[in-house]
Amino acid sequence: DAGITQSPRHKVTETGTPVTLRCHQTENHRYMYWYRQDPGHGLRLIHYSYGVKDTDKGEVSDGYSVSRSKTEDFLLTLESATSSQTSVYFCAISATGTSISYEQYFGPGTRLTVT
Amino acid sequence: GENVEQHPSTLSVQEGDSAVIKCTYSDSASNYFPWYKQELGKRPQLIIDIRSNVGEKKDQRIAVTLNKTAKHFSLHITETQPEDSAVYFCAASGAAGNKLTFGGGTRVLVKP
Repeated sequence: DAGITQSPRHKVTETGTPVTLRCHQTENHRYMYWYRQDPGHGLRLIHYSYGVKDTDKGEVSDGYSVSRSKTEDFLLTLESATSSQTSVYFCAISATGTSISYEQYFGPGTRLTVT
Repeated sequence: GENVEQHPSTLSVQEGDSAVIKCTYSDSASNYFPWYKQELGKRPQLIIDIRSNVGEKKDQRIAVTLNKTAKHFSLHITETQPEDSAVYFCAASGAAGNKLTFGGGTRVLVKP
């Protein structure tokens, strides 16, 4: 499973509250990604990181921010959660060290419900 | 940006028959095309991938073909088994290679 963990695995929160999801990897991969998965939409990229403090937006980044202060941790924050952000969130990693490897491997996912 | 369309959205096959899923992409600079299998409640798992310098790749009962001219690629599963029942996703990398755009998924049901 490429040494990827996500926390929490399940969370229920109220509209308007801030939420932070954590992705942790143990194998020094350079690239880390956050996706959301919704029925009928497949997996959509929210943000990704190509190194410590280096991040970029994906196709559905509005309402989300990210931070990567250490190689092993990539945090996704919903500043003020809305019901439309109810989803399953997957973290993924790609590449080892500084070499480029296209394969992406996914974490176990976090199910977030915003009431 | 890249756009990936996947068909069909659902596919029901008899055990032992073949299953074919097709995807089209829009960015001619895309150079990496993976396929993922996702069982209910689990994470997507990479099952096979192909790069743009290759036309076909096989791994036991699964194969992927790529037509760069037409900008489409397909997943073929032969001799289907009940454990092949899952949702399958295709993806394309775009020019940079480090970002994937996914298709909407195909739910495959293999009937015993």
